[in-house]
Order: sequence, then structure tokens, then C-alpha cells
Amino acid sequence: KAGVTQTPRYLIKTRGQQVTLSCSPISGHRSVSWYQQTPGQGLQFLFEYFSETQRNKGNFPGRFSGRQFSNSRSEMNVSTLELGDSALYLCASSLWGDVNVANYGYTFGSGTRLTVV
Amino acid sequence: AQSVAQPEDQVNVAEGNPLTVKCTYSVSGNPYLFWYVQYPNRGLQFLLKYITGDNLVKGSYGFEAEFNKSQTSFHLKKPSALVSDSALYFCAVRDGNTGNQFYFGTGTSLTVIP
Repeated sequence: KAGVTQTPRYLIKTRGQQVTLSCSPISGHRSVSWYQQTPGQGLQFLFEYFSETQRNKGNFPGRFSGRQFSNSRSEMNVSTLELGDSALYLCASSLWGDVNVANYGYTFGSGTRLTVV
Repeated sequence: AQSVAQPEDQVNVAEGNPLTVKCTYSVSGNPYLFWYVQYPNRGLQFLLKYITGDNLVKGSYGFEAEFNKSQTSFHLKKPSALVSDSALYFCAVRDGNTGNQFYFGTGTSLTVIP
């Protein structure tokens, strides 16, 4: 079956612009999480969506937002881009929905490499 | 609070030698533990997980990990390292009681020297 698909793979934006990244989870997965990966900070949790609702949120400013659609596809948006937003943004989907399936891990997409200039 | 520690940023090992990548965790409930590997400019790939049962877990590519509850550790091991094992390795924990987000370690860069 198809894996987690993230588009676009690479993106170059200018400071002050906004950007939207897309993630299509594995079919049947209703949980989608987003992570920011930078060399200095490692993997930083952004947010998690399940059934179109944001369930968890990391410590990122309000410029970072997301949403999930009824088909479980998710988008994240970053407004007023800063140089420090340059990173690999990873999306991960999971069967997670309740405690009974908590033993399922993530399946990650290949990420979107965002460069802010 | 839940957390994961990978005390070594970098591990170097000669090809053919055994390798160990260390991970310790802190979680309030039952720990669900995972190892992921990342190759350059790629997402993370699942290697193995511990949920319950046998403390020694076997995963992909000949890797295994041992869950040690008393030491709150979940070290990744392989008996004989390959050059192709060179990558970034992440340990992660999920609280089995609450089942919320994953907590990742900062990653360990493994270099296998030919």
C-alpha cells in the first residue's frame, strides 16, 4: 500500500512569506502528526490531528498552524516566515485512535525541505 | 514528564564489530518504546518496538533492542555492523496509559568504518 506522501519535497521561500505543506497519510490512518527537524534542535513536535481535530500541540508560535480534512489528509501552514524556520518538516501517520491501538508506531513521510532566504 | 535521552551524539564502530546505541527513557505509565533510523534527506524508518512480553526485541536489518525496566533503558544493538548501517538513529517513547504523542531522543549518528 502507498506510504505517507508529503508535497512538495523541496521549497524555497523568502522571509515574510507564508507556506503550506501537505501530507497524505496511509489509507486507514486517522492520526497525523507533524515534526520539525533541524540539526541543532532535533525532532520537535508541532501538532497532532485526529479526525479533523487537533489533539496535541507542541511549543511553537502561533505562526505555525495546521488542519486535517475529512479524508485524513493534513496541511500545515507557516505564516510570516523567518530564517529560523528553515528545516525538514516531517509528517507521520498512525493508526492511533484510542489506548487499544497505542502500540502502533508512526509511519513517516520523506519530508518537505523548507529553505527560507 | 515523558522524555527520552540518547547520551551519545556520535558513535563510531568498525565494520564487523558489534554496535550499541544507547537510549534511556522516563514515562509515567507503561512505556511503549521504538527505534527509528533516518538516512540523509529522508523520513524516519521504523526498526523495532517494545510493547510487552520478551525483553529482547528483534527488528529489521538484524537490529535488536533490550528493554530493561530497572534501568529504564532500551539500547539498540547489532552483532556485526555494516557500512550501510551508517545513519541517524532515534529512540522514541509513547506512554501506553495515555497514548498521546511520541517523545523522541535527539538522535545518535552512527558511522561504521570500513
